[in-house]
Amino acid sequence: NAGVTQTPKFQVLKTGQSMTLQCAQDMNHEYMSWYRQDPGMGLRLIHYSVGAGITDQGEVPNGYNVSRSTTEDFPLRLLSAAPSQTSVYFCASSSMGLPGGTQYFGPGTRLTVL
Amino acid sequence: ELKVEQNPLFLSMQEGKNYTIYCNYSTTSDRLYWYRQDPGKSLESLFVLLSNGAVKQEGRLMASLDTKARLSTLHITAAVHDLSATYFCAVDIDEENFVFGPGTRLSVLP
Repeated sequence: NAGVTQTPKFQVLKTGQSMTLQCAQDMNHEYMSWYRQDPGMGLRLIHYSVGAGITDQGEVPNGYNVSRSTTEDFPLRLLSAAPSQTSVYFCASSSMGLPGGTQYFGPGTRLTVL
Repeated sequence: ELKVEQNPLFLSMQEGKNYTIYCNYSTTSDRLYWYRQDPGKSLESLFVLLSNGAVKQEGRLMASLDTKARLSTLHITAAVHDLSATYFCAVDIDEENFVFGPGTRLSVLP
């Protein structure tokens, strides 16, 4: 079991560039989510999905797109990178409907936008 | 809008001492989560509290939940250096929208 994997680990972009952060899980979890972590602000939910073909917005969705075509994969797309999107991005997954189901987090992607 | 607060935000304590981290949240929820994050690392699940009065313990850490007061506590007993980390609490809305607190950075000094 690899758990939750994320690629790349580090990325530097120029303002206006686009890119996709990859996230995959092998635990057959229905729920997947993307967070950004900024100093002193904890984690903030960007987008989440409760199953293939279903996505919804979290607290800070602007500037990001997601899709969920399979149970395993949940990529996050930055359409036109801005310096304000410099952050550490975490993907997480969990099993819904299971009492006590906690989220399992990937190792994170550290993104810098110049 | 669900808000989650933690205090203190920074905690420096000596080995062997006891201390409590508090997590307050603003709307009704029966599910509260505690996570640990080491510097430069990802988050690791510590506890899931599912009902009023729930108490869970693992080693020197004990977490409790009072849903009426909208308060959870993470109690540290006889702290050791290995417990140095940032601790986050999180609350969910219908198992879909999760809101995290800002984190408590704990340093345990020898």
